[in-house]
Amino acid sequence: DTAVSQTPKYLVTQMGNDKSIKCEQNLGHDTMYWYKQDSKKFLKIMFSYNNKELIINETVPNRFSPKSPDKAHLNLHINSLELGDSAVYFCASSHPWTSGGDTQYFGPGTRLTVL
Amino acid sequence: ELKVEQNPLFLSMQEGKNYTIYCNYSTTSDRLYWYRQDPGKSLESLFVLLSNGAVKQEGRLMASLDTKARLSTLHITAAVHDLSATYFCAVEADKIIFGKGTRLHILP
Repeated sequence: DTAVSQTPKYLVTQMGNDKSIKCEQNLGHDTMYWYKQDSKKFLKIMFSYNNKELIINETVPNRFSPKSPDKAHLNLHINSLELGDSAVYFCASSHPWTSGGDTQYFGPGTRLTVL
Repeated sequence: ELKVEQNPLFLSMQEGKNYTIYCNYSTTSDRLYWYRQDPGKSLESLFVLLSNGAVKQEGRLMASLDTKARLSTLHITAAVHDLSATYFCAVEADKIIFGKGTRLHILP
């Protein structure tokens, strides 16, 4: 009965490869997010989707492409991986704040290591 | 440009003591978040503060917001070892910006 799940938990890959991280939530939330936490523990929001529509798209390289096939899923695809992409990526979900939602529920994180 | 500053970045304190973590931000904000992160773990949402004067409490943690001063505080009362973690504030305006986090270590 996991609320927000991510797969894989660990991902080790070579530079130049393409990889995807999947996120699923069973909370019935409308809004989903991707965050990046670097090796210094700095956190940055990358994307936010509401009802499958992109609402926040921070300044991230266009090698990163989120895809939301439905409200319960927000996947992150990364092309041409670079060393600097190594980080922990967190998915989260919430009800939209415009309808009174606020608390975000985070997935366990995916630790991406690019060699 | 929205900037968020947390202080202190590191804090080591004895059990039973009180302390406050500060979160300053540079522009008007729609809402302010506090999160907790244990080492190697995910983030846990603690509080969301929406309006000036908002105060929320959960156990030994209390968060407040002063939008005029652009300041939020996270107050820890009678700290216990289980509260050892990293605490982040995040401010939402047209984007969400996180502070650098406060690593809190509570000595038994």
